[in-house]
Amino acid sequence: AQKVTQAQTEISVVEKEDVTLDCVYETRDTTYYLFWYKQPPSGELVFLIRRNSFDEQNEISGRYSWNFQKSTSSFNFTITASQVVDSAVYFCALSELRYSSASKIIFGSGTRLSIRP
Amino acid sequence: EAGVVQSPRYKIIEKKQPVAFWCNPISGHNTLYWYRQNLGQGPELLIRYENEEAVDDSQLPKDRFSAERLKGVDSTLKIQPAELGDSAVYLCASKGQMGSYEQYFGPGTRLTVT
Repeated sequence: AQKVTQAQTEISVVEKEDVTLDCVYETRDTTYYLFWYKQPPSGELVFLIRRNSFDEQNEISGRYSWNFQKSTSSFNFTITASQVVDSAVYFCALSELRYSSASKIIFGSGTRLSIRP
Repeated sequence: EAGVVQSPRYKIIEKKQPVAFWCNPISGHNTLYWYRQNLGQGPELLIRYENEEAVDDSQLPKDRFSAERLKGVDSTLKIQPAELGDSAVYLCASKGQMGSYEQYFGPGTRLTVT
């Protein structure tokens, strides 16, 4: 069975601090995708990144970076120099590729990130 | 390009009443999803459409929930009759053609059943 665990329910940091959101996943598939989504107070989930199971290269996009480690089944997300606008709930998600196109996405329970001025 | 549109944004009804949610996906997106998101949890898939065909509705409580996507574009999710436990945010998402993996979400409909 597939499962995504985000053990950190809530994190609060002061602006400009770095913060890492943890994500651990379980799957029996050898081919899968991992995602991070951001859900601001407005409610709409915003896609941040997709990573396939064959690509363990870390990725950096501005203040965001992602560390994918297949050996520990983790896909952690780091925000550098956090800003108040980063305050949101962040979801890690996993999708199987059984039918050559990602179909069902399994979401973690989310981490609520609060950035204090 | 317009995003996924959902209406209404908020709905308050009494239990045992019917309710319907509407979703218009991103133009050209063949795959449409309905999710339910309970407070403090991640979204959970209710049903997935490929064009007008429901290809995964295993998580849809069929005794009271129904959905349709008659022309393969917009979709309606209905609950009849609603129960207190149905209070949640109902999210619609769409995905592009084969080879595209990201789902794009609408703002959701927050349902409160009293």
